[in-house]
Amino acid sequence: GAVVSQHPSWVICKSGTSVKIECRSLDFQATTMFWYRQFPKQSLMLMATSNEGSKATYEQGVEKDKFLINHASLTLSTLTVTSAHPEDSSFYICSAPDRGGDTQYFGPGTRLTVL
Amino acid sequence: GQNIDQPTEMTATEGAIVQINCTYQTSGFNGLFWYQQHAGEAPTFLSYNVLDGLEEKGRFSSFLSRSKGYSYLLLKELQMKDSASYLCAVRNDYKLSFGAGTTVTVRA
Repeated sequence: GAVVSQHPSWVICKSGTSVKIECRSLDFQATTMFWYRQFPKQSLMLMATSNEGSKATYEQGVEKDKFLINHASLTLSTLTVTSAHPEDSSFYICSAPDRGGDTQYFGPGTRLTVL
Repeated sequence: GQNIDQPTEMTATEGAIVQINCTYQTSGFNGLFWYQQHAGEAPTFLSYNVLDGLEEKGRFSSFLSRSKGYSYLLLKELQMKDSASYLCAVRNDYKLSFGAGTTVTVRA
C-alpha cells in the first residue's frame, strides 16, 4: 500500500519556539494532504486541508497564523506550530488520499511536547 | 454538524468474536471507514463501506446501513495483537470525521 512518512517522530521544545513537521508521500503524488491532532484518549480532529499550489483550508477554531501549512510539492506538506505553548502538546498526524480518494493513508505521527 | 458514536471500551477473550457498533448523524455522507490504532501509533486502514451491506476481509468484516446511520466492525478469531483502539470515520465530501474510538482488550 501507499506509504506516508512524517518527520520528526517526536520533538520536545521550549515554550515560545516554533516547530516544523514534515509529511511526505513516498510512492505517490498527493495534491491534497490532511493534518490532524489527537489528544490523549481522544479521537483525531481534522485541523486543516493542505492543498498543493494554493492556500490551506482550516477547520473552524484552528488558528491559521499559529499553524502554518505549506504544500511545497506534490509529495511534501509541512505544518509549523509557531510560538508553541504547553497546550499545543499533542500527537500530530498527517494523511494523504490515494488516487481514487477512497482511502486515506496516515503518516506515523509526530509527538510534540512543549515544556 | 457531525455526530459519530461508538462504545468506549470492549473486552473479549482470545479466539472469540467482537462486534463494534457505530452510529452516525452527519451533514453529508459518501463513505464509512474503520481504522485500527495501536497506542502511540497512527491509524491503519481496515475497511471501507459506501453501499449498504457487508464487506468481508479475512478476519475483519464491516457492515453498513445508510438508512439507519449504522455500521459495525466484526472481528473474528480474536488474537492478542488485536488489542487496540478501533476508529469509525465518516467521509463527507473529502473530509473524514472520526468517532472517539473503541478500545478493545483481548484477554487470554
